[in-house]
Order: sequence, then structure tokens, then C-alpha cells
Amino acid sequence: DADVTQTPRNRITKTGKRIMLECSQTKGHDRMYWYRQDPGLGLRLIYYSFDVKDINKGEISDGYSVSRQAQAKFSLSLESAIPNQTALYFCATSAGAVEQYFGPGTRLTVT
Amino acid sequence: AQSVTQLGSHVSVSEGALVLLRCNYSSSVPPYLFWYVQYPNQGLQLLLKYTTGATLVKGINGFEAEFKKSETSFHLTKPSAHMSDAAEYFCAVSDRIEGKLIFGQGTELSVKP
Repeated sequence: DADVTQTPRNRITKTGKRIMLECSQTKGHDRMYWYRQDPGLGLRLIYYSFDVKDINKGEISDGYSVSRQAQAKFSLSLESAIPNQTALYFCATSAGAVEQYFGPGTRLTVT
Repeated sequence: AQSVTQLGSHVSVSEGALVLLRCNYSSSVPPYLFWYVQYPNQGLQLLLKYTTGATLVKGINGFEAEFKKSETSFHLTKPSAHMSDAAEYFCAVSDRIEGKLIFGQGTELSVKP
């Protein structure tokens, strides 16, 4: 079984809808991250969390919120989706600052 | 603040030829440096990392990279390209405390038969 899982893997939604992307990990890591990938821009950090009570904004947090339900679960929400949030979203985990482990990604399309 | 610049969004090489993907970084603190690879429709996989010590680091699949502080570079090389190396490659930098990754824009590597 994969160490970092993301659900759904693909999602198409309409402008204005609320959507949640979920991430679970079995690696026992405290740190979890959400990134967004856009062609030609690489990956950019949305939010990160060092434990259940510690959540921090990343480079591009506007329009997003997160919830750390447990050490193993970190969800990303789009309260009112807009077309320019169409992207590939990755969750990652780490035990420290050295190496992050990425999930398979969620492809989100907002029409 | 930290930033990463990858020179060339697309690189094409022939099978068996040298692979050279360029990465320059900016960091106000001693950085950790990474190369990740993304195969089509997959997540990111760590190729190699530099944290401390030897400046020439070896990774998986025959790749290596050299940390050159004076040039603020961390270029990725492989002596002989294989068709299976076709993928997108990302250089990234992080600080040594929070571990937030700052990525370059990516370089797509194509390998011609």
C-alpha cells in the first residue's frame, strides 16, 4: 500500500462549489504539506503543518483552507472554487527538513 | 528568501548521450538542495539530495549532482541517457529548519532513439 494517499485522484467541479481534497499517510510523520503544480511554474506551497495544532500559510494560501484532523490526515479545501484553481495538487509528508514524500496527486478541473 | 531557476524548460538528448540539467539557486542561509523526477501521471520521486558533506552526490538511476557554493549551482548529470529517463525534473531548495520546498519551474527531458 502507498505511504501517502490522496483522494480523489481526479475531480471536475463547477465554479463556486466547495471542494475538499484529502491526504492520508502511514509514514508516521509529523509534518505535512500541500502544493499546487501548474505548467511552467513548478510546485508552489499552499499550506503546511508541523503537528495537529500547528498550521501555517505557504506562498499561495489565498482561496484555500486546511484542516489537520489527525497526525495522519491533512485536508485541503477550496471554499468557492474558481477556474484558475485548476491544477495538479500534491500532498507531501516529512519527518524533518531533509526529505519529503509525495502522494500521487489530485488533478482538479474547475469549469 | 530562497529561489530556484532551472535553465531550459525543455531539453532533448539522444539515447546514450550526456544529460545535463541546470539549476541555480538563491538562499540567504545554507540550503538543502534536491532533485525530484516526475514521470507522466505520477507523483514526485526524490532523485538525490545535498544536505552537508561531500559536494558531489549520487542518486538513483545513475544520476548525480554537484553542489557548487561559489556558483550557487546544483546541476544534474547522467553520463548516458536512457529512454526511460524521459520525464520532468524539478530542482528544489529548502532551509534547514522548516523544510519548506521552493521549486524551480521544471525541465522536461526528452530522449530520442
